[in-house]
Amino acid sequence: DQQVKQNSPSLSVQEGRISILNCDYTNSMFDYFLWYKKYPAEGPTFLISISSIKDKNEDGRFTVFLNKSAKHLSLHIVPSQPGDSAVYFCAAKYGIRTGTASKLTFGTGTRLQVTL
Amino acid sequence: DTGVSQDPRHKITKRGQNVTFRCDPISEHNRLYWYRQTLGQGPEFLTYFQNEAQLEKSRLLSDRFSAERPKGSFSTLEIQRTEQGDSAMYLCAGHGEGTGELFFGEGSRLTVL
Repeated sequence: DQQVKQNSPSLSVQEGRISILNCDYTNSMFDYFLWYKKYPAEGPTFLISISSIKDKNEDGRFTVFLNKSAKHLSLHIVPSQPGDSAVYFCAAKYGIRTGTASKLTFGTGTRLQVTL
Repeated sequence: DTGVSQDPRHKITKRGQNVTFRCDPISEHNRLYWYRQTLGQGPEFLTYFQNEAQLEKSRLLSDRFSAERPKGSFSTLEIQRTEQGDSAMYLCAGHGEGTGELFFGEGSRLTVL
C-alpha cells in the first residue's frame, strides 16, 4: 500500500522557469511533510518541510504548498537552475504534534532535469 | 554534510556471504533509522532505535537481518546469507529531539553477485 505517491517519474524544465513537483498521500494521520533531494550515489538531503497546520512554507527558491482536503502537496522551485537536477522525494510522518516518533514514509521520487 | 557517516560506501559480495554496515550519527541524534532503497523506489523503512533500544522493525527486515546500537551511539546492520534481492542502497539517518527531519548519511551500496 503506497501511502505517499509521486505519480510523475520525471520532469524536464528549462533553466529559469518554474519546476512543480507533486505528491499525494492517503494516510490522513500524516501531520508533517518533507521534501528531500537526492543526487546519484549519495544519501537524500533534506530540502524543506511543512506542518499540517500550515498551507505554505517558503525557503528561498523553494516553496511547499499543502492542500489537506485534497491530501496533496507540491514543491515549487523558482527559478530552476541546472544544479537542481536530481531526484526529489516527498515524505510524510505523523505524531509530530504529540512528540511521538514516527518513521518517514517516502514516495517513489520524481527525477527533475533542468535544461539550459 | 549531515554529520552522519556510513561505512563501507560500497560492498560487493557473493551470494551466501555475510555483510555488516556501520553508521555513526552525531551525538545529538538520539534516534537512528535504517532505510533501504532499490532502483526506482523511494527509501523504505527497515528499523529504528531510540538510544540503544530498537523500537520498531519493518516486515522487510527478515530474520537474516539484524541491527544493533550498543551504547546508543553507532549502529550496525548485518545481513546474513546474502541473496541477490538484498542488493540495494542501505541508508542510515539520524534524528534529534524536537525536529521533524531525518538527516541521512551517504549510504552503503550493496551488490550481491
